[in-house]
Amino acid sequence: KAGVTQTPRYLIKTRGQQVTLSCSPISGHRSVSWYQQTPGQGLQFLFEYFSETQRNKGNFPGRFSGRQFSNSRSEMNVSTLELGDSALYLCASSSTSPQETQYFGPGTRLLVL
Amino acid sequence: AQSVTQLGSHVSVSEGALVLLRCNYSSSVPPYLFWYVQYPNQGLQLLLKYTSAATLVKGINGFEAEFKKSETSFHLTKPSAHMSDAAEYFCAVSFAGNTGKLIFGQGTTLQVKP
Repeated sequence: KAGVTQTPRYLIKTRGQQVTLSCSPISGHRSVSWYQQTPGQGLQFLFEYFSETQRNKGNFPGRFSGRQFSNSRSEMNVSTLELGDSALYLCASSSTSPQETQYFGPGTRLLVL
Repeated sequence: AQSVTQLGSHVSVSEGALVLLRCNYSSSVPPYLFWYVQYPNQGLQLLLKYTSAATLVKGINGFEAEFKKSETSFHLTKPSAHMSDAAEYFCAVSFAGNTGKLIFGQGTTLQVKP
């Protein structure tokens, strides 16, 4: 099976812009979770989607949003970018059970100038 | 509050020596426990997981971890370090009812010296 794929791999934006990141889960996986990784804060949970519904959400401002499509592909959007949004954004997919192992993609590295 | 603590942000061992990476969690409910490894410019790769079966869990690449409820610990070990083990290691927990959310420790960078 193909693994989790994320596009694009690298992105440079300027403050105030918005950005959309994409994640394609492992075939058959219906749950997609998103994480932000920074040197200062480490790995932090953003949100999780299952069957096109957001099931869980972390402590991030409303500028961070996501969605999931009927084929389980997911996107996350960050509006009004700030310098502090520079990070590696990772998505992970798992099968139907909530406690199943999460398999991670390679991440999208976002740099905000 | 539920949390994960990894003792030691950097651990250095000689090739062939024992690797011990420490992880403690704080929780009032039974956790599911995971160890992931991250190589530079890559995502996270699962090493092993504990889901309330055997307390000693064997993973990939010769790693294993033991769940000790009384100590709320899930330390990662490998009998003999290899140069290719140099990477960052993350301990993570999840809980029933908190779907899709992993809580990660701050990570431990493992250096392997020749």
